[in-house]
Amino acid sequence: SQQGEEDPQALSIQEGENATMNCSYKTSINNLQWYRQNSGRGLVHLILIRSNEREKHSGRLRVTLDTSKKSSSLLITASRAADTASYFCARHGNKLVFGAGTILRVKS
Amino acid sequence: GAGVSQSPRYKVAKRGQDVALRCDPISGHVSLFWYQQALGQGPEFLTYFQNEAQLDKSGLPSDRFFAERPEGSVSTLKIQRTQQEDSAVYLCASSVLRGLYEQYFGPGTRLTVT
Repeated sequence: SQQGEEDPQALSIQEGENATMNCSYKTSINNLQWYRQNSGRGLVHLILIRSNEREKHSGRLRVTLDTSKKSSSLLITASRAADTASYFCARHGNKLVFGAGTILRVKS
Repeated sequence: GAGVSQSPRYKVAKRGQDVALRCDPISGHVSLFWYQQALGQGPEFLTYFQNEAQLDKSGLPSDRFFAERPEGSVSTLKIQRTQQEDSAVYLCASSVLRGLYEQYFGPGTRLTVT
């Protein structure tokens, strides 16, 4: 069973807009990771944030982590059509546990 | 190649047949993982190897599922007496060290049991 919950389940935005996806979890973590999956490139690691970090940036990606609320968010700024994909958070306790994902569609 | 490779990419099996799915991890990666992904869901953990040792097989859904990594490199996931509920994409991933690091995923094997 999956213990990460992404919100929203689906998101549709215009190119150039920002996209925010949220993730909640129930148990303690060592780190939390975000992955992207599309038909062209499969499942690709985007960013890893450790439990003692609060915010991390990578290019147009910004991830926050609030361990007191057991939640994380992924912000994609200035979205592009190529960002269209499913995005998964995966919490790492003693193994990687994925949520059900957010389907992002960026319209050009 | 530099990435994780899996074969076959697609497999159709009749119910009751045995199947074997292969994973070639990134060279030098100690950790290897198998996941099962149903349509519209995130990957679900099946099993984990560190070198040739299978350290966690808690996610294997039944004793029909068996995985091995005899030389600490290539791994095979075997499913015996396949059932329709086994239809899914099977993903393999590898990681440099034990799994506190990012994992690199292969393209997956789509298994359809008819």
